[in-house]
Amino acid sequence: GQQVMQIPQYQHVQEGEDFTTYCNSSTTLSNIQWYKQRPGGHPVFLIQLVKSGEVKKQKRLTFQFGEAKKNSSLHITATQTTDVGTYFCAGSSNNNDMRFGAGTRLTVKP
Amino acid sequence: DSGVTQTPKHLITATGQRVTLRCSPRSGDLSVYWYQQSLDQGLQFLIQYYNGEERAKGNILERFSAQQFPDLHSELNLSSLELGDSALYFCASSGQGFGYGYTFGSGTRLTVV
Repeated sequence: GQQVMQIPQYQHVQEGEDFTTYCNSSTTLSNIQWYKQRPGGHPVFLIQLVKSGEVKKQKRLTFQFGEAKKNSSLHITATQTTDVGTYFCAGSSNNNDMRFGAGTRLTVKP
Repeated sequence: DSGVTQTPKHLITATGQRVTLRCSPRSGDLSVYWYQQSLDQGLQFLIQYYNGEERAKGNILERFSAQQFPDLHSELNLSSLELGDSALYFCASSGQGFGYGYTFGSGTRLTVV
């Protein structure tokens, strides 16, 4: 079945450093979504990518969708303590239910 | 408040028991999804309903069942509970059509003792 793999599992950075999490699928995806879950909270939708090679930016966050639509990345420039949380990618290959990666837990040292 | 309401927020029950988790989707959303999140783990997809009908099934145990009612609220029933069923259960809803982001509820934390 469809699997979405996400690395790294954990990332510790110093405030101001950059951060990147990667997502890979075993199958071609119709779309990919990114979510952020703060400690003790629930996942919150950040963005969706649909097109091959698509790049979207939200302030310090840059999201990319691979040309083959099997991988994606989220890059945060100059992390802040407010960026702390777990970042999940989620992909669908059947335009239906989204399958989530295991998430990357980001901690930021002030 | 995300607009997705889950009750109860916390539930403690004994092994072998049965519980029902409830979810009211965001107004206008027809799709409801259930996910299980074990401690510090990812989100395991359980089941999806769309406008009252089952649309997709994930890693849902036979001891678990769900349904979506005409008013679009959904219930997840967990029976013959085991210690390993202890987890956060999230409900999410999404709008009509393809590719809407999911809106998650705050979750129900189930503890089986």
